[in-house]
Amino acid sequence: AQTVTQSQPEMSVQEAETVTLSCTYDTSESNYYLFWYKQPPSRQMILVIRQEAYKQQNATENRFSVNFQKAAKSFSLKISDSQLGDTAMYFCAFMKHSGGGADGLTFGKGTHLIIQP
Amino acid sequence: NAGVTQTPKFRILKIGQSMTLQCTQDMNHNYMYWYRQDPGMGLKLIYYSVGAGITDKGEVPNGYNVSRSTTEDFPLRLELAAPSQTSVYFCASSSDNSYNEQFFGPGTRLTVL
Repeated sequence: AQTVTQSQPEMSVQEAETVTLSCTYDTSESNYYLFWYKQPPSRQMILVIRQEAYKQQNATENRFSVNFQKAAKSFSLKISDSQLGDTAMYFCAFMKHSGGGADGLTFGKGTHLIIQP
Repeated sequence: NAGVTQTPKFRILKIGQSMTLQCTQDMNHNYMYWYRQDPGMGLKLIYYSVGAGITDKGEVPNGYNVSRSTTEDFPLRLELAAPSQTSVYFCASSSDNSYNEQFFGPGTRLTVL
């Protein structure tokens, strides 16, 4: 079974600052996918960014980027030029490749990110 | 294109009551999922389905049942509600490719008293 650990229950930064959210995972799978989801107060789950484990290049999506360290089983999310709308819970999630995606995501407990004006 | 819809949005049940949480998607996705989110926790997989007529248990299936008679619908049934089932329930769907995004519904907040 897989486990996902997010060690920062809450973080707070000023608007326009850069913030990094940590995520580590444990798995015996060799091929898998990693995701960061955002959950604002509306409760809607929104995909932020995703990474294929076999790709060495770190994924980027506008202000969001990841630092994927496969050997260390680490998958951190960096948010640059943070905005008030980034305030939300952020969940790191794992999906193994061998199930074809059918058997769902394994989530961490989340990090509550607060962007201060 | 409504995406994934869930009904109801909120529900209060008494211990021992039964109910069905509805989930419908209009994206012709083969894969569908039910997750629960307890306070301060991440989502945990209850059941999943890879297509009509095929379902399987996830991490926390006890106390729940599902069916998948059509591609679009994936209802979750609680037979004898217990306080431990107080949670927010999310339905999600994806196409049959593990890298593809899971699209989530807005969730159902269920309280069992």
